[in-house]
Amino acid sequence: GQNIDQPTEMTATEGAIVQINCTYQTSGFNGLFWYQQHAGEAPTFLSYNVLDGLEEKGRFSSFLSRSKGYSYLLLKELQMKDSASYLCAVTSGTYKYIFGTGTRLKVLA
Amino acid sequence: EAQVTQNPRYLITVTGKKLTVTCSQNMNHEYMSWYRQDPGLGLRQIYYSMNVEVTDKGDVPEGYKVSRKEKRNFPLILESPSPNQTSLYFCASSLKAGATNEKLFFGSGTQLSVL
Repeated sequence: GQNIDQPTEMTATEGAIVQINCTYQTSGFNGLFWYQQHAGEAPTFLSYNVLDGLEEKGRFSSFLSRSKGYSYLLLKELQMKDSASYLCAVTSGTYKYIFGTGTRLKVLA
Repeated sequence: EAQVTQNPRYLITVTGKKLTVTCSQNMNHEYMSWYRQDPGLGLRQIYYSMNVEVTDKGDVPEGYKVSRKEKRNFPLILESPSPNQTSLYFCASSLKAGATNEKLFFGSGTQLSVL
């Protein structure tokens, strides 16, 4: 079957570092995406990994281990505006996107 | 401005009354798709389209129809809505169909309530 697991909710303090994990079991794998979704808004693209390793983009980094079916999103120097849901998604097969249920991150002052 | 435009933003209807949610993109994207988002279930794909006149079912297609007569438009049709179709709907597009590194651009969403 197809399954993507993420923690439902996380809480962190402004200025801290937080790691959001994602594990996946899919019938195929062509790449892994992270999207950010603020409440009541559309998801927006954050990062893409297809090879093992770390991709860094400013305060956000994403890591992938294909052999373990595992990824994480690392957010540094947390800001209040980072309070949002973070969606992990796997492309499996040519046209298929499979999304996790998302992790709701609360950043506290 | 490059964007995916969905309408309406909010819609309340009654069981059985046919409705259409429109989706249009101005980026000349090949790939378009529809998702519904429900609490605890995440985003689930309803239908997708690789190009004009080419559509296919996603994971939850029952009760929905789509068409792709023009590249920019991809309407979602509910012929006979039922309360279990109450959900937040998103249209999304990407530049190339079949390129699995293509990120999705999402519309602003349609909150549908079926009474």
